[in-house]
Amino acid sequence: GQNIDQPTEMTATEGAIVQINCTYQTSGFNGLFWYQQHAGEAPTFLSYNVLDGLEEKGRFSSFLSRSKGYSYLLLKELQMKDSASYLCAVMDSNYQLIWGAGTKLIIKP
Amino acid sequence: EADIYQTPRYLVIGTGKKITLECSQTMGHDKMYWYQQDPGMELHLIHYSYGVNSTEKGDLSSESTVSRIRTEHFPLTLESARPSHTSQYLCASSEGWDGGDTQYFGPGTRLTVL
Repeated sequence: GQNIDQPTEMTATEGAIVQINCTYQTSGFNGLFWYQQHAGEAPTFLSYNVLDGLEEKGRFSSFLSRSKGYSYLLLKELQMKDSASYLCAVMDSNYQLIWGAGTKLIIKP
Repeated sequence: EADIYQTPRYLVIGTGKKITLECSQTMGHDKMYWYQQDPGMELHLIHYSYGVNSTEKGDLSSESTVSRIRTEHFPLTLESARPSHTSQYLCASSEGWDGGDTQYFGPGTRLTVL
């Protein structure tokens, strides 16, 4: 079967750095997405990786290792507004997105 | 910024009622999707469409139907609502390219069936 694994919940301090990991096993691979979802709201797109390596976008970076079936999202200079769930999703060989359950990130002052 | 709209935002309805959840997008996207999401859980694909007159079932059988008569409109209908249908329903659209085909989401409809 296909599955995406992420930690259920993480806690970090305002101003710090946090890394959210995602491991995946899917039938084929056509890219990995990270989305942010605030409570009660819709997911919003953060990043897309299809090649190995690090993609940087301001305070957020995303890393991919296809050989290890592994990605992480790195958030720097954490702000209270970063408190949200972070969803990892992989596009499989049929170009369908397989979603993880998300990691709830709690930011403390 | 994505322009995708869903109505109603919240709906409380009795068992056995027929309901239609509306979804519209103004971006001219070919692909549209309906997802179901329970709190703290992953998104489950219910239906999707590649374009006008194209509809496909996703992994989750939710006893619902969809139609795609116009590019911008993708309504979801539950013929007979049940308490097990209580959930958040998210509509999304994408340009339809393969690979990095980013999906943009509407605000969602939170459905409660009593």
